[in-house]
Amino acid sequence: GQSLEQPSEVTAVEGAIVQINCTYQTSGFYGLSWYQQHDGGAPTFLSYNALDGLEETGRFSSFLSRSDSYGYLLLQELQMKDSASYFCAVRGGETNTGFQKLVFGTGTRLLVSP
Amino acid sequence: NAGVTQTPKFRVLKTGQSMTLLCAQDMNHEYMYWYRQDPGMGLRLIHYSVGEGTTAKGEVPDGYNVSRLKKQNFLLGLESAAPSQTSVYFCASSYPDRAYEQYFGPGTRLTVT
Repeated sequence: GQSLEQPSEVTAVEGAIVQINCTYQTSGFYGLSWYQQHDGGAPTFLSYNALDGLEETGRFSSFLSRSDSYGYLLLQELQMKDSASYFCAVRGGETNTGFQKLVFGTGTRLLVSP
Repeated sequence: NAGVTQTPKFRVLKTGQSMTLLCAQDMNHEYMYWYRQDPGMGLRLIHYSVGEGTTAKGEVPDGYNVSRLKKQNFLLGLESAAPSQTSVYFCASSYPDRAYEQYFGPGTRLTVT
């Protein structure tokens, strides 16, 4: 099976930097995705790490350490519009079919204040 | 491009009633998925499809059925709704080699009384 842990809530102020951690336990690990979801909205894809290291996309970066079963999402120059829930998701394999499903964490609610 | 669309957006059912949720995508994606999202539980996979005419069970398939008669459409059926199926339902789609990058529809908020 697969399980993920991430903090339930993080608070920060505009302009700050925040890091959202994700630890996971899984078999057949292929990679770690991050999604953003605003209240009442749909999840939207942010980033994906298949290999160890840092991936940067504008103000957002994502890091993966496969040996530690750990990753994080780093948000820089926080803006009010970044207030949302952030989900990590492990991509794992089903050995009998080869289908690689995503298993989502329970989400971290980020509150950005002025 | 509309991306992924879902109908209806909201629905209230009485226990025992049936309904079908429709998902459509115009991105020519092979893979399609149905998730449910409950407070504090993230997204859980109900059923998925890797191509037209094929479907498979996800983590929480009980009480649901699906069909993928056309590549662009993925239907989720509830034959006999129960209060435990009150949830927000999301459809998603992806390319097979980019299953880590899923495109989600706006969701259907279902209440079963």
